[in-house]
Amino acid sequence: DQQVKQNSPSLSVQEGRISILNCDYTNSMFDYFLWYKKYPAEGPTFLISISSIKDKNEDGRFTVFLNKSAKHLSLHIVPSQPGDSAVYFCAASRYNTDKLIFGTGTRLQVFP
Amino acid sequence: GAVVSQHPSRVICKSGTSVKIECRSLDFQATTMFWYRQFPKQSLMLMATSNEGSKATYEQGVEKDKFLINHASLTLSTLTVTSAHPEDSSFYICSARDIQGVGYTFGSGTRLTVV
Repeated sequence: DQQVKQNSPSLSVQEGRISILNCDYTNSMFDYFLWYKKYPAEGPTFLISISSIKDKNEDGRFTVFLNKSAKHLSLHIVPSQPGDSAVYFCAASRYNTDKLIFGTGTRLQVFP
Repeated sequence: GAVVSQHPSRVICKSGTSVKIECRSLDFQATTMFWYRQFPKQSLMLMATSNEGSKATYEQGVEKDKFLINHASLTLSTLTVTSAHPEDSSFYICSARDIQGVGYTFGSGTRLTVV
């Protein structure tokens, strides 16, 4: 049972444009969400997070939006840069538990 | 920032042997350590959660006798894959949380190949 899903396995965006990565979840008990960037054969690198009491969090070029009613979150990267090319994972956790449940990942390619 | 050192980064072993993977928190006390496994082009799947000084809690479907987790100190956790088989070949990653429970710091991962 995949509780966190990223339905787009890949995304290709031109440099300078906006990248939008989407994530859906099924468990309404999740209340904390994170986005990670990952290169092959490396551990994930934390990008940005959001708690369920907010609907938006921004950090530089990265903005995460949370729509609790739709159980959907998205990561916006603007402007996209070639160095952003990687696999992006969303992850979710429940209140009072430390466990992170990861989505299936989206491979982002930013081309010049 | 917080750093988790994971070793080895890559290991090849023969079928039937055991392999130990170490994760050390370098500048903080890791009260909780998580172990994940990632098959090619798939998500990171949580295998188990360990708290320092207590037994690990395994996720459904993960064999605790095959994947031995030790978290004897606040800076070191180990995962031992016992009697490894080719189907255990995967990318294993640890993640640590400190006593404040703020953030998750990931190790750099271990690529295990069982031949």
